[in-house]
Amino acid sequence: GAVVSQHPSRVICKSGTSVKIECRSLDFQATTMFWYRQFPKKSLMLMATSNEGSKATYEQGVEKDKFLINHASLTLSTLTVTSAHPEDSSFYICSAPMDREAFFGQGTRLTVV
Amino acid sequence: AQKITQTQPGMFVQEKEAVTLDCTYDTSDPSYGLFWYKQPSSGEMIFLIYQGSYDQQNATEGRYSLNFQKARKSANLVISASQLGDSAMYFCAMRFYTGTASKLTFGTGTRLQVTL
Repeated sequence: GAVVSQHPSRVICKSGTSVKIECRSLDFQATTMFWYRQFPKKSLMLMATSNEGSKATYEQGVEKDKFLINHASLTLSTLTVTSAHPEDSSFYICSAPMDREAFFGQGTRLTVV
Repeated sequence: AQKITQTQPGMFVQEKEAVTLDCTYDTSDPSYGLFWYKQPSSGEMIFLIYQGSYDQQNATEGRYSLNFQKARKSANLVISASQLGDSAMYFCAMRFYTGTASKLTFGTGTRLQVTL
């Protein structure tokens, strides 16, 4: 069945560095990928929508230069957290819609120290 | 504006009993889909059940059933014969099909604890 593979599952990085998170669609082509952020014990908040071959659409309040999204192919979307700070520590998860469903990656737990 | 509301931050249920997790929504769009996801402590989002706004019958998937009351705009999840492994966060979500980006909007979640 359709699967979204997200890597890495956990990452610890130093403040000021950049971290790239990848989401790959397996066995299907994802023209759209949604990127969510989840704080501890909170709900998933949509950050941005990436579309293959075009610029991502960011939700209000999300810094475009901070969270760079690239959707260069139909099977790969990436989120890069640039110049990471401790407040960027969170759980990030991607999701690709297909038909009536939405397939989620496994999530990435980012810790910035 | 579209909105999903889960009013139960936490629920307890005894093993083998049934439990209902509440979800209400607000939308003026006629076409939408309602989802329930389970999120264990590992963080993955596990799809449980789906109900389309035009579906005539309530959705069922094994021990999960969705009590869809369109006029009341509610889509409660019923878990029958609870198991210890059902302990997790449960999110109700709504997806809209009008427009080009059919994104999911999530409720605040309900933490379910299944006890012996």
